[in-house]
Amino acid sequence: AIQMTQSPSSLSASVGDRVTITCRASQGIGNDLGWYQQKPGKAPKLLIHAASSLQSGVPSRFSGSGSGTDFTLTISSLQPEDFATYYCLQGYNYPRTFGQGTKVEIK
Amino acid sequence: EVQLVESGGGLVQPGGSLRLSCVASTFTFSSYEMNWVRQAPGKGLEWVSYISSSGRTIYYADSVKGRFTISRDNAENSLYLQMNSLRAEDTAVYHCATLGYTGYWGRGTLVTVSS
Repeated sequence: AIQMTQSPSSLSASVGDRVTITCRASQGIGNDLGWYQQKPGKAPKLLIHAASSLQSGVPSRFSGSGSGTDFTLTISSLQPEDFATYYCLQGYNYPRTFGQGTKVEIK
Repeated sequence: EVQLVESGGGLVQPGGSLRLSCVASTFTFSSYEMNWVRQAPGKGLEWVSYISSSGRTIYYADSVKGRFTISRDNAENSLYLQMNSLRAEDTAVYHCATLGYTGYWGRGTLVTVSS
């Protein structure tokens, strides 16, 4: 199974900060990677698919980059509603595997 | 608006069984590959199982292989997960989801395995 190593596991940031989360795959996965946001008690919400394609309706402050084994989710200017947990998910093969999650907290 | 609504969760003793259902509305369910994803309390997301749009291709996580069975009824816009030989570590909220570029998820149903 492909392992997805996500970092950091948590971070504290202020409104307006630029935030970067990374995900590393244990083998090449092309651009078959998605990024999800999850708030407590809610279902995950897809932000980015195919590594860099912004999902419809998602604010443009979210962006994704990378291919092969190294991927990045960037929030250009953190907003109050962005405090949540973020997960990457590889869609290259089965079993599908998620990163361990990054909790973004208010500083 | 696309809706996926799970049901069938509850409290069950170790070794017991449950059948989860997921009913889809406002999208062409029969065209979509479907998955079950779970989240244990306070933990991250874990993919559980996949079924192709026709139902002919199925995959399972090693942690549930041989105990869980995924199925679907496209005429009823429904996805199922039969869970047998349940263990304490199966305790989680179970979501049905399309994954991929569509990203449709249900809110989940809680399964608690405890004596």
